[in-house]
Amino acid sequence: DIQMTQSPSSLSASVGDRVTITCRARQSIITYLNWYQQRPGKAPKLLIYGASSLQSGIPSRFSGSGSGTDFTLTISSLQPEDFATYFCQQSYSTASFGGGTKVEIK
Amino acid sequence: QVQLVQSGAEVKKPGASVKVSCRASGYTFTDYYIHWVRQAPGQGLEWMGWINPNTGGTKYEQKFQDRVTLTRDTSISTAYMELTGLRSDDTAVFYCARYGKYGSGWSEKIFDSWGQGTPVTVSS
Repeated sequence: DIQMTQSPSSLSASVGDRVTITCRARQSIITYLNWYQQRPGKAPKLLIYGASSLQSGIPSRFSGSGSGTDFTLTISSLQPEDFATYFCQQSYSTASFGGGTKVEIK
Repeated sequence: QVQLVQSGAEVKKPGASVKVSCRASGYTFTDYYIHWVRQAPGQGLEWMGWINPNTGGTKYEQKFQDRVTLTRDTSISTAYMELTGLRSDDTAVFYCARYGKYGSGWSEKIFDSWGQGTPVTVSS
């Protein structure tokens, strides 16, 4: 299936920081790219779908961009509740996930 | 509201099998594929396969092909994942997730609802 690579695998940031996470697909997936947030002990939660559309109920500080093979998730001003792990997922061909990015408190 | 409720934690010995259930409510069970995802401790999300609850058709990730079976019982809106030949590295949380749609295109899909996860521990 389509291999997805996220970077970095972890990062440390402070409340209020702008954070950017990258996801790269081995082949073009057009804009069939979704982002999820996972807090410890919980199931993942959908944040962004179709590369750039914000899921209902998700704060506007989250945004997504990209097309083809390169995608970005940006948190414009990190809040305490945003410290979590983030995964990208392609839906172009079946489903596969990136390895995750853990956002930790600096 | 849409809800997926999974069966409880399991402890199994190496070589045994485990069968996890995922009961759906709040929507028409046969309208959405159910996928299964494995997450080992401290690791990422690993896609295992899907089942079409309407037809019973399945697709499996190649690495699980020989050991996993996905089934469903439409009379009780429940999907099942059975994993055989358990090894210690199968110790993980297993999730079921509904593959919803955000558009009419085949690839316009999202995991829009997840079960709470079922921890499976494999230990002698």
